[in-house]
Amino acid sequence: GIQVEQSPPDLILQEGANSTLRCNFSDSVNNLQWFHQNPWGQLINLFYIPSGTKQNGRLSATTVATERYSLLYISSSQTTDSGVYFCAGDYNQGGKLIFGQGTELSVKP
Amino acid sequence: ETGVTQSPTHLIKTRGQQVTLRCSSQSGHNTVSWYQQALGQGPQFIFQYYREEENGRGNFPPRFSGLQFPNYSSELNVNALELDDSALYLCASSLVGVGYEQYFGPGTRLTVT
Repeated sequence: GIQVEQSPPDLILQEGANSTLRCNFSDSVNNLQWFHQNPWGQLINLFYIPSGTKQNGRLSATTVATERYSLLYISSSQTTDSGVYFCAGDYNQGGKLIFGQGTELSVKP
Repeated sequence: ETGVTQSPTHLIKTRGQQVTLRCSSQSGHNTVSWYQQALGQGPQFIFQYYREEENGRGNFPPRFSGLQFPNYSSELNVNALELDDSALYLCASSLVGVGYEQYFGPGTRLTVT
């Protein structure tokens, strides 16, 4: 089946550091999204980025659809950035997202 | 603009029982999708509802069923609960025809004992 691989699985940073999270897809993907899951379980939308680059404050994302990967950049990390980051894509334009296993980020003060 | 809401927040059931979870879509959205997230895993797609009909289903048995109502809210029903059904159940809404960006509710945490 279609695979979504996220790396690294775990990441520990010191506050103020930068990081890059990666998402690889085994097949072409549509409607790629990045989420941050808060400690209570809610998925917070970070980016809807089928292709190209977007920025929102300290976060930015790039999707290269032809090469089947997406990157999430976090700059000047803060302790509130801690949590699990998921990427997810839709393979048939039906809005049925397939998620990766997540990257668990821990930012230490 | 009202976000996606889910009820209840937490639920404890016994194996073999039945459960109904509820979701209200974000205002203006016409599609609802349900996902199951086991501990330490990414969410898995259960099914999607559009215009009150099931519009795609993941690899879940028929004891997982759903409904969508004219106001686009939705229910997820699970019959004959099993211990492995213990999970966080997430509902997401989107607007067909304007991309497929999905917005998630806070989830319902189901524990089956």
